[in-house]
Amino acid sequence: GIQVEQSPPDLILQEGANSTLRCNFSDSVNNLQWFHQNPWGQLINLFYIPSGTKQNGRLSATTVATERYSLLYISSSQTTDSGVYFCAVDDYKLSFGAGTTVTVRA
Amino acid sequence: EAQVTQNPRYLITVTGKKLTVTCSQNMNHEYMSWYRQDPGLGLRQIYYSMNVEVTDKGDVPEGYKVSRKEKRNFPLILESPSPNQTSLYFCASSSPIDGYEQYFGPGTRLTVT
Repeated sequence: GIQVEQSPPDLILQEGANSTLRCNFSDSVNNLQWFHQNPWGQLINLFYIPSGTKQNGRLSATTVATERYSLLYISSSQTTDSGVYFCAVDDYKLSFGAGTTVTVRA
Repeated sequence: EAQVTQNPRYLITVTGKKLTVTCSQNMNHEYMSWYRQDPGLGLRQIYYSMNVEVTDKGDVPEGYKVSRKEKRNFPLILESPSPNQTSLYFCASSSPIDGYEQYFGPGTRLTVT
């Protein structure tokens, strides 16, 4: 199956800081999604982004499919951004990365 | 509101007592899946269904059963739960019309003692 690697594994931010999370994948994909798992365990859809760039408020994402990576940008981080961010690829059978645990300190 | 629902959200049970976790979606999606999430192992697919009466094994199907008698419902059945099935379970649905963008339910936290 497709291998998905996320970096960094852990990230500690001061409130207001910007950050970039990276997702590398081992083969071409039809689907790439970013999720945020909040402290209550819920998986929140952030972006469906098999290619190109999207923005939603303080979050944006870019996928360069030909180079097999995607980036998630968090700007002006807030404590509510804390949690685990997952990248997942493929179609009806998602393969997940191990996640990046983000802690935003006030 | 488009959503995937799961019930129960929390369940504590004992070894060997059959249980069913329900999953329902209101988006008319063809594809539905079950995943489990475990510390250090991430999210892994248990079973998936491509449409009514069509199901197939995912990466970790042992100890689980599923059925897809209606398009909107995809229950997960544990015939004889064991402690190693203690986990956080997610149901998801998607459609090729949307490029397989997956929508997840809120999760079911299962503890088997």
